[in-house]
Order: sequence, then C-alpha cells, then structure tokens
Amino acid sequence: DSGVTQTPKHLITATGQRVTLRCSPRSGDLSVYWYQQSLDQGLQFLIQYYNGEERAKGNILERFSAQQFPDLHSELNLSSLELGDSALYFCASSVRLAEYNEQFFGPGTRLTVL
Amino acid sequence: AQSVTQLGSHVSVSEGALVLLRCNYSSSVPPYLFWYVQYPNQGLQLLLKYTSAATLVKGINGFEAEFKKSETSFHLTKPSAHMSDAAEYFCAVSDQGAQKLVFGQGTRLTINP
Repeated sequence: DSGVTQTPKHLITATGQRVTLRCSPRSGDLSVYWYQQSLDQGLQFLIQYYNGEERAKGNILERFSAQQFPDLHSELNLSSLELGDSALYFCASSVRLAEYNEQFFGPGTRLTVL
Repeated sequence: AQSVTQLGSHVSVSEGALVLLRCNYSSSVPPYLFWYVQYPNQGLQLLLKYTSAATLVKGINGFEAEFKKSETSFHLTKPSAHMSDAAEYFCAVSDQGAQKLVFGQGTRLTINP
C-alpha cells in the first residue's frame, strides 16, 4: 500500500458525459501528479500540482482539468468524454519538488467510456 | 527532452534463470532514472532509482540495475527469477525542471515454471 488513495476504482460512463476522479496523496506529500495509461499511448504525464498550484502540464486535453485543494487532495475532471478517453488514470504524490524524489502511485481509476 | 526506450515488450524466462530487462535513456543532462513494477490490477511500485550516488543500484525483491553512461543504459537484472516476479516493468527518467516522469513503453515479464 503506497498510501495514495484514488476513488472510484472503476468508472463506466457514456460518451459526452463528465466525470471526476479523486486522489488523496500520502500524508505530508505536497506534490500530486496525474498520469494516463492506455494501450496505444502507454503511460503519459498529464499534469502536476504542488501545494495547490499548477506546476507542469503534459499532453492534457483541453477537455480535461484538475485542481488541488487546500487539504492537498486533487481532482481530475474529464468532460465531453470520447471512446478514446478509456484508460487507467493514476495519481502519484511526492514530498517535494525534486527530480530525484520517488513518486508514490495510487491504485488507479479505470475509466470505461461506452 | 529526456526519453527512455525499453528493448523488448515481452520477455520470458524460466524460474531460477537470470532476468535482464533493457532500458536506454536519452538525456542532455545527468539523468535520474527509475524502475517501477506494475502487478496486474495494481498501481506502480518503485523497484529502485539512480540519483548519481552509485552506478550499481540495489532495489527491492532482489533486483538491481547498473547505470552505464557510456552506453546510456540502465538495465534491470535479477540473478534468479521467481514466479512472483511476473509483472510489467517500466523504466522512467525524471524530466529536468518539471519533476514529471517520462516512462518507457514497458516490458511484460513472464516466468515459466
């Protein structure tokens, strides 16, 4: 158990809908990362927050957004869902901003868009 | 920009045999490199990391990796495979300045009894 929690574990929805994925980082970790894992794209970085502020963006679609709240939990919002958005979404956390810091991954949310 | 390439999307070895999973990196600056393992229906777990302290890095579950700058490689090895090692393994490099991880495509390791 990494100490990172993600809810829900599974999510099945229809095209055009909007969903929210939730992540609680390890106690004391200020940095939260979101990654998408799909068969064709592999593991891709989406976005990073540190202590409530956005720090870095990857290949995140405009239909996707995220935020980190004062209690440090984070939410990833996916809207106008398409079939291609079906994937495993991971949240990871680390203590501080340093390239050598280990990122601890949650169990993921499996999103299926029908 | 940093990148990693994992050679071989599938590797199959017999129980008790040597495990060798290959990873080559591309980086214009000294890299920070990681190996993660993903068991079925689980998240990623760190096996080991290289942060320039020592070129031979020992990790959990008997795995180790050697950083070779001249070959831009960071291959993962384990002397004797166990059935419980069956999983997907990801090599990753930490992107300088952004702290994000850039992952390879992964190598699925199968252990034959």
